[in-house]
Amino acid sequence: DSGVTQTPKHLITATGQRVTLRCSPRSGDLSVYWYQQSLDQGLQFLIQYYNGEERAKGNILERFSAQQFPDLHSELNLSSLELGDSALYFCASARSSYNEQFFGPGTRLTVL
Amino acid sequence: AQTVTQSQPEMSVQEAETVTLSCTYDTSENNYYLFWYKQPPSRQMILVIRQEAYKQQNATENRFSVNFQKAAKSFSLKISDSQLGDTAMYFCAFREYGNKLVFGAGTILRVKS
Repeated sequence: DSGVTQTPKHLITATGQRVTLRCSPRSGDLSVYWYQQSLDQGLQFLIQYYNGEERAKGNILERFSAQQFPDLHSELNLSSLELGDSALYFCASARSSYNEQFFGPGTRLTVL
Repeated sequence: AQTVTQSQPEMSVQEAETVTLSCTYDTSENNYYLFWYKQPPSRQMILVIRQEAYKQQNATENRFSVNFQKAAKSFSLKISDSQLGDTAMYFCAFREYGNKLVFGAGTILRVKS
């Protein structure tokens, strides 16, 4: 158990819908990263937050957005969902951008 | 942009034997980290081993060791005394200081009894 929690574990929804994925980092970790794992694209970085502020952006679609709240938990919002958004979404946390990242168990999103 | 290449999509090994997974990367940076992550069927991402680029000495964690060749930009993982529980997808990953992880495509390792 890495200490990073993600909810829900599984999510099934329809095209065009909007969903929110939640991540609680390990106690004391200020940095949160979101990654997407799909068959087509492999594992790729989406976005990073550090202590509430966006720090880095990767291959994140405009339909996706994220935020980190004062209690340091983070949410990834996916809207206008398409079939190709079906993937495993991981959250990872770290003390800072320079420390080791610990991964949560992931949220499996299925878009039908 | 940094890239990580794992040229072996699948590997298999007999229980108790040794297997080596290959990884090459491309970067113009001098300071960075390299990692091997294991993803078993549960899908959890588990850190196996890490290597700081400035360290000459190869990292070792129990049955897992790496062969880090900085000039060749090569970072292979050796698993000794393979166990059935080692069956998983293995990802090589690269990280510049203060930056995101960049992953390779992964190698599926099957340990046979």
